[in-house]
Amino acid sequence: GDSVTQMEGPVTLSEEAFLTINCTYTATGYPSLFWYVQYPGEGLQLLLKATKADDKGSNKGFEATYRKETTSFHLEKGSVQVSDSAVYFCALSDQAGANNLFFGTGTRLTVIP
Amino acid sequence: DSGVTQTPKHLITATGQRVTLRCSPRSGDLSVYWYQQSLDQGLQFLIQYYNGEERAKGNILERFSAQQFPDLHSELNLSSLELGDSALYFCASSVQDSHYNEQFFGPGTRLTVL
Repeated sequence: GDSVTQMEGPVTLSEEAFLTINCTYTATGYPSLFWYVQYPGEGLQLLLKATKADDKGSNKGFEATYRKETTSFHLEKGSVQVSDSAVYFCALSDQAGANNLFFGTGTRLTVIP
Repeated sequence: DSGVTQTPKHLITATGQRVTLRCSPRSGDLSVYWYQQSLDQGLQFLIQYYNGEERAKGNILERFSAQQFPDLHSELNLSSLELGDSALYFCASSVQDSHYNEQFFGPGTRLTVL
């Protein structure tokens, strides 16, 4: 079945540090891949997405590349800010099944000044 | 603001009771999804409706049911509540029923069962 494995947190970084959050997936079809972010007390917001192999999604300085050969979609940012502190969820939606999202467990990021 | 609204924001009730959670999708979105977020299970898909019809079911208990009305708003009904049903319930909407489309999430309803 479909699943997403995400790097366990929490992750604590200093401001301006480089961020990587690993995400790998298992899917029966050709999934679309997403990163969602959840700020404290709020719902999930789409951060970026990629719908086919080798696509790169990017937004607000965050990037992730859809790697079919390694079934991965790692999230990166070159220089994090305090305002990036949140929980990040990797997710997939599989063409072969229903179009619901399968989520990873979430990674809590704290950025300290 | 995603454009998806959910009411109520918080709900506190007792075991054995029944509650209804309401969701209004973004204007123009035909698809509504319900998800449950709990500490032990993470974010799990419950059920999806598309233009009034049930489209897919996930890990939804038989005590739970949902519907989507002609105006496209949706309600999730939870009955015979147990302590373990305490969770954050999210509604999401998307334009169509496609795995390409991102889903837009509401702020959630926090349910506490005492």
